[in-house]
Amino acid sequence: AQSVTQLDSQVPVFEEAPVELRCNYSSSVSVYLFWYVQYPNQGLQLLLKYLSGSTLVKGINGFEAEFNKSQTSFHLRKPSVHISDTAEYFCAVRGDSSYKLIFGSGTRLLVRP
Amino acid sequence: EAEVAQSPRYKITEKSQAVAFWCDPISGHATLYWYRQILGQGPELLVQFQDESVVDDSQLPKDRFSAERLKGVDSTLKIQPAELGDSAMYLCASSEDRAYGYTFGSGTRLTVV
Repeated sequence: AQSVTQLDSQVPVFEEAPVELRCNYSSSVSVYLFWYVQYPNQGLQLLLKYLSGSTLVKGINGFEAEFNKSQTSFHLRKPSVHISDTAEYFCAVRGDSSYKLIFGSGTRLLVRP
Repeated sequence: EAEVAQSPRYKITEKSQAVAFWCDPISGHATLYWYRQILGQGPELLVQFQDESVVDDSQLPKDRFSAERLKGVDSTLKIQPAELGDSAMYLCASSEDRAYGYTFGSGTRLTVV
């Protein structure tokens, strides 16, 4: 069965510093990969997705992620964070033959002034 | 921008009572999902509809949970009787094409007391 591991439950960082949120997945078939952001008491908003093609994916709010098939990773990065980026971030994988999204446990990004 | 509508936003109910949540997906989206998100965890799929048909309800606790999408448009998720462990965020999502990811609603925060 497919699974997603988010290695860090919380990442504290100072404003304007770079950040990387780590995500590893397990799958034996081609996958679609997603990053979502969730603000308190809100639903999930799609940040970016990898379907095929270029391994570097750019999303909204200045975020980007790199798909690494050999390391089965899909880490999320931002070169300079803002206070408003404080939120929960979820990595998700969807199998090629399934509509189902499988989510990781989430990483809380805490941006400090 | 089209949204997935959910109601109510918040619900407090006593254990052993019945509770229902409503979801209206984006117009034209054939696939509808109900997820449950326990505090501090990632969302987990409860049930998936393709039009009015259930595609996956393997994780739905069928002794107390039921879901329907009678005309293939809006959907209702019901819990009867509610238990303390059902306290969670219930998220509805819809998709037009699995390649584009889901669009989530704002969710219903359920508290069972």
